[in-house]
Amino acid sequence: KQEVTQIPAALSVPEGENLVLNCSFTDSAIYNLQWFRQDPGKGLTSLLLIQSSQREQTSGRLNASLDKSSGRSTLYIAASQPGDSATYLCAVSGSNDYKLSFGAGTTVTVRA
Amino acid sequence: DAGVIQSPRHEVTEMGQEVTLRCKPISGHDYLFWYRQTMMRGLELLIYFNNNVPIDDSGMPEDRFSAKMPNASFSTLKIQPSEPRDSAVYFCASSRLAGVDTQYFGPGTRLTVL
Repeated sequence: KQEVTQIPAALSVPEGENLVLNCSFTDSAIYNLQWFRQDPGKGLTSLLLIQSSQREQTSGRLNASLDKSSGRSTLYIAASQPGDSATYLCAVSGSNDYKLSFGAGTTVTVRA
Repeated sequence: DAGVIQSPRHEVTEMGQEVTLRCKPISGHDYLFWYRQTMMRGLELLIYFNNNVPIDDSGMPEDRFSAKMPNASFSTLKIQPSEPRDSAVYFCASSRLAGVDTQYFGPGTRLTVL
């Protein structure tokens, strides 16, 4: 059974600082890895999707890397803003059934 | 497109009552997923459909839970009878191609069973 771990559980940084969020998974036989954002009381919004054959994906200030062999992914958010405050979840898709296994998330607070 | 639509947004009911949650996926999406989110267990997949057919229901916790997808634009998740431990936020998500395309989540239904 795939286990997804996100460290740290919570993070507080001053505005302008770069954010580094970590995700690890136990089974490297994945189809893809996704990073989502969840605001309080809202659903999840997809940020980046990395296919298993890719090493990284970038979108604006966001960059996500994937090291499938070591079972790790890192989400970098450059020059953080108060609007980046949210919970960020990592999810991996199984190679056989496409089901997503989610981490518990990292709650980020960016202080103005 | 309006995105994934879920109703109701909030539901408060008493133990033993039947609860029905509804979902309208994004038009053209062939996959529909039902998730449950709690503080203790995080986000868990309950069941998913492909072209209206249930593919994997191994995440459905008990026989009290059932899900249907009578057509491409509508799905229900039913709990009968409901129990306090079913209190959670239930999300519906849809995607074009599972594994390749991202999943688009609805706003969720917050269920409270008293």
